[in-house]
Amino acid sequence: DGGITQSPKYLFRKEGQNVTLSCEQNLNHDAMYWYRQDPGQGLRLIYYSQIVNDFQKGDIAEGYSVSREKKESFPLTVTSAQKNPTAFYLCASSRTSGTQETQYFGPGTRLLVL
Amino acid sequence: QKEVEQNSGPLSVPEGAIASLNCTYSDRVSQSFFWYRQYSGKSPELIMSIYSNGDKEDGRFTAQLNKASQYVSLLIRDSQPSDSATYLCAVNMQPGTYKYIFGTGTRLKVLA
Repeated sequence: DGGITQSPKYLFRKEGQNVTLSCEQNLNHDAMYWYRQDPGQGLRLIYYSQIVNDFQKGDIAEGYSVSREKKESFPLTVTSAQKNPTAFYLCASSRTSGTQETQYFGPGTRLLVL
Repeated sequence: QKEVEQNSGPLSVPEGAIASLNCTYSDRVSQSFFWYRQYSGKSPELIMSIYSNGDKEDGRFTAQLNKASQYVSLLIRDSQPSDSATYLCAVNMQPGTYKYIFGTGTRLKVLA
């Protein structure tokens, strides 16, 4: 059963703590993306990766970090530098990073600050 | 600043009616357009993609693109209560790149 998985579904962060959100895909897609969604706002791009061992900052990368050591995996770390991390985080992938490539989304992780 | 605009709604339509959702975008060079449906608390799922001017039909859904007027719309025929969701418009405004700008979404309510 092909698809994108994200874990955990809910994540709680304490002040000063780094947390890591998992994203795995078995679609054999080259490109992967992380978005943040806040209530009443559109999706905003945090980071993207077109190939293994390469990634680029999106529009709101400050306070976040990523790695792409395997084609299937693109974890996102929310660092203590991110002062307002409460949001719904969505991972997506596409076959390539071309203009007409459709992005498919995982189920999302909801991050809450304690 | 590149923008994608949608009316936030809610747009209420009776069951069986046609729901019409609209999206305007700011950049004339935009080439790719996508409609996603998002149920409350869930992730977006793709409904339609459209790249050329005109209409594209898929079942009860029709996407309409008018690049000269810079708008894209989604029509849902025979609306069902299960269509009640937020519909997101996404536009690729940088040809040759992966980057998509998402609208804030229109909330649709189909009344039984």
